[in-house]
Amino acid sequence: SQQGEEDPQALSIQEGENATMNCSYKTSINNLQWYRQNSGRGLVHLILIRSNEREKHSGRLRVTLDTSKKSSSLLITASRAADTASYFCATKSLNTGTASKLTFGTGTRLQVTL
Amino acid sequence: ETGVTQTPRHLVMGMTNKKSLKCEQHLGHNAMYWYKQSAKKPLELMFVYNFKEQTENNSVPSRFSPECPNSSHLFLHLHTLQPEDSALYLCASSQPGQQYEQYFGPGTRLTVT
Repeated sequence: SQQGEEDPQALSIQEGENATMNCSYKTSINNLQWYRQNSGRGLVHLILIRSNEREKHSGRLRVTLDTSKKSSSLLITASRAADTASYFCATKSLNTGTASKLTFGTGTRLQVTL
Repeated sequence: ETGVTQTPRHLVMGMTNKKSLKCEQHLGHNAMYWYKQSAKKPLELMFVYNFKEQTENNSVPSRFSPECPNSSHLFLHLHTLQPEDSALYLCASSQPGQQYEQYFGPGTRLTVT
């Protein structure tokens, strides 16, 4: 199985509702990052949380990290149709050199309907 | 617009063709990456360059040949590809180091016929 697995694979909600996506990983990490991808486009960085942090906020986004459970969650509050996209977590493992080598999961496909 | 551009955006090539993908970043970063994204699979890291030096080759077949002439440009030379190589190829850049996010280009949609 992959380092960085998102759950659920697909999520459909109505505009205004909150969306929660989860990510589990296997190895010790330096940091965990969440990215968003609109269909067929490049990924856009959303938020980075370091291994010594437990929660981070950015606008309508809230990310938590539990290193004891090797899991993270991404909460999008008051969702909008424009939030429709795939969301990926990516982990930066310890001891992988100087490059920012990331390992991505398979993503959660979020559909926000009007 | 992330500051990372990729050309072409779409490419159809036969198995005997030779083509190249180009990536350029305008962010002053010193690390660049090639990823392959296939349907239903996680994003696969292919190559990493730090300060123009290749630091990672993730067991990529030799029919994919990267080139990094300077910190702003990255190429992926393609030859004798297989239909299973059809995918979205994404370029990214970042500052080198542990704590930096990556900036992605829009990708090249490659179809091998």
